Amino acid sequence: IQLTQSPSFLSASVGDRVTITCRAGQGISSYLAWYQQKPGRAPKLLIYAASTLQRGVPSRFSGSGSGTEFTLTISSLQPEDFATYYCQQLSNYPFTFGPGTKVDVK
Amino acid sequence: EMQLVESGGAVVQPGGSLRLSCVASGFIFDDYTMHWVRQPPGRGLEWVSLISWNGDITYYTDSVKGRFTISRDNTKNSLFLQLNGLRAEDSGFYYCAKDGGSGDVDYAGRGTLVTVSS
Repeated sequence: IQLTQSPSFLSASVGDRVTITCRAGQGISSYLAWYQQKPGRAPKLLIYAASTLQRGVPSRFSGSGSGTEFTLTISSLQPEDFATYYCQQLSNYPFTFGPGTKVDVK
Repeated sequence: EMQLVESGGAVVQPGGSLRLSCVASGFIFDDYTMHWVRQPPGRGLEWVSLISWNGDITYYTDSVKGRFTISRDNTKNSLFLQLNGLRAEDSGFYYCAKDGGSGDVDYAGRGTLVTVSS
């Protein structure tokens, strides 16, 4: 199942509300996860089952959607949030990641 | 503290083989499905394979089927990935990762680098 993400790049400032969209090539119910990755680091799980916040992840992160369209929202961007974000579908094998959205400093 | 430590990455010629290893600690290894995820330098993530808690069930991404084999040894808290018939496009960091319960990856190691080049 192919995933697309938009935008590919996003320039934002601390305090901004940021929204990233992930679209699936076919319906995947709520079988979607979101990850954050910083350079030289492993990916970090933020959201699973489309909208469930992983333990320890700040509440400024939220996820929504089902079927083919999903969003990750950061309500107030913090300095430590500048990173690349990936969605991943867990509906069908092989599991696939989206191409990523890089969030950098405006 | 949970830890996953990968090893075995190297520079190898096209057509060559490698065996990646991952040693787990800080959680009950044989309770969990485990994954391998890879990432070419400067590029995006690619899910590679998973293995069920007891090794009975395995899945692979299409591009590695027939070339890569995932396995585990629960007596040694270890996960393995045998890479055969390596191609340039197999180059990248390989991350060992623990399943979060829904197929997602809730913890990953720091990775081991595989470079396929002549």
